[in-house]
Amino acid sequence: EVQVVQSGAEVKKPGESLKISCKGSRNSFTNYWVGWVRQMPGKGLEWMGIIYPSDSDTRYSPSFQGQVAISADKSISTAYLHWSSLKASDTGMYYCARLGGVYGDYGDYWGQGTLVTVSS
Amino acid sequence: EVVMTQSPATLSVSPGERVTLSCQVGQRANTNLAWYQQKPGQAPRLLIFGASTRATGIPARFSGSGSGTEFTLTISSLQSEDFAVYYCQQYNDWPPSFGQGTKLEIK
Repeated sequence: EVQVVQSGAEVKKPGESLKISCKGSRNSFTNYWVGWVRQMPGKGLEWMGIIYPSDSDTRYSPSFQGQVAISADKSISTAYLHWSSLKASDTGMYYCARLGGVYGDYGDYWGQGTLVTVSS
Repeated sequence: EVVMTQSPATLSVSPGERVTLSCQVGQRANTNLAWYQQKPGQAPRLLIFGASTRATGIPARFSGSGSGTEFTLTISSLQSEDFAVYYCQQYNDWPPSFGQGTKLEIK
């Protein structure tokens, strides 16, 4: 069974850096894309970007290009989402998902979400 | 980014009823469309991909149809566990984009 487990909730101050993680069970990320999706409080879903852990090929949605960095360590089936300088507007729930389809098209297995709170 | 429009925003229905949710895509998406269910405090759950293919473990009461710019998700007989928010997502163009969601609430 595919399981996706994300790191725990974070409380940070504006300007701080943060890296959250997303781990797939056994070989569940092998030959699959992994994506990150943001959900701001009380709002809908936003596609941030995707990574192919096998070779770290990465693509960003234009709205998130330059705002975050996505990386992966294929040896431990883990993807990461990194901020170098958080803003209050980064507050939200962040989901990762293993992506199905030929080009990492849709999330077929999702993590439980990581709540990020940025407040002074 | 491709604009996705879901209607209605909220739908009040009774258990046992048949319900149809709509998703309009701003440009042709062929059948590259997925549907998700999200309950409060939970991650989204994939229901449908390829516009009409049920994901693993999804009950047969959920069905999807459509192509191009008009898509529908039908729940044939609403169960209590189906009251949730439903999102459509296109993946025909980069970046993939979601609709704003339709909330199904108990009448």
